Amino acid sequence: GEDVEQSLFLSVREGDSSVINCTYTDSSSTYLYWYKQEPGAGLQLLTYIFSNMDMKQDQRLTVLLNKKDKHLSLRIADTQTGDSAIYFCAESIDQGGKLIFGQGTELSVKP
Amino acid sequence: DAGITQSPRHKVTETGTPVTLRCHQTENHRYMYWYRQDPGHGLRLIHYSYGVKDTDKGEVSDGYSVSRSKTEDFLLTLESATSSQTSVYFCAISEPTGTRITFGYTFGSGTRLTVV
Repeated sequence: GEDVEQSLFLSVREGDSSVINCTYTDSSSTYLYWYKQEPGAGLQLLTYIFSNMDMKQDQRLTVLLNKKDKHLSLRIADTQTGDSAIYFCAESIDQGGKLIFGQGTELSVKP
Repeated sequence: DAGITQSPRHKVTETGTPVTLRCHQTENHRYMYWYRQDPGHGLRLIHYSYGVKDTDKGEVSDGYSVSRSKTEDFLLTLESATSSQTSVYFCAISEPTGTRITFGYTFGSGTRLTVV
């Protein structure tokens, strides 16, 4: 069945780069997404990547996709305290529009 | 988030009582979803809707029902609330491009439900 796995916690120093990793199982996934959730709030779409791409860059965010290994990563350059949040990866699994989410990675940025 | 609101934001209810959560959107999106968020589980899909009166079950639908009589409203009902249904509930909307969701979902701010 479909499954999306993430590590639960990541701690970095302000100014360092953060790399959040995700593995997924559905090789037919067309789009993969990264969402950010701040405390007490809903999820906000950060970025997405189409499955025929290897990399997508958007300002401080870089998404890398390795389709062979079904591995997705999100790199945040120059991490700031405002980046502290939970980050979810998700895959679009079928034509019904359902997204499968990972457990979320809690990013803690220390000054 | 703009265009999607959930009510109530917080609710405490007793075991065995029915509870209805409301999701209202002004974006005219066809697809609507209910998820629950629990520590260590991420978001799990409860029910979803492809359009008015067109709903289907997700992976954790037991004990929940939904209704969608208008495009803008998607109701989630806990028929007889149990402590295991204490959670944060999120509604999401989406408008597919062709047969695939291109840009993901827009989420509401969530409803924190406590069943005592």
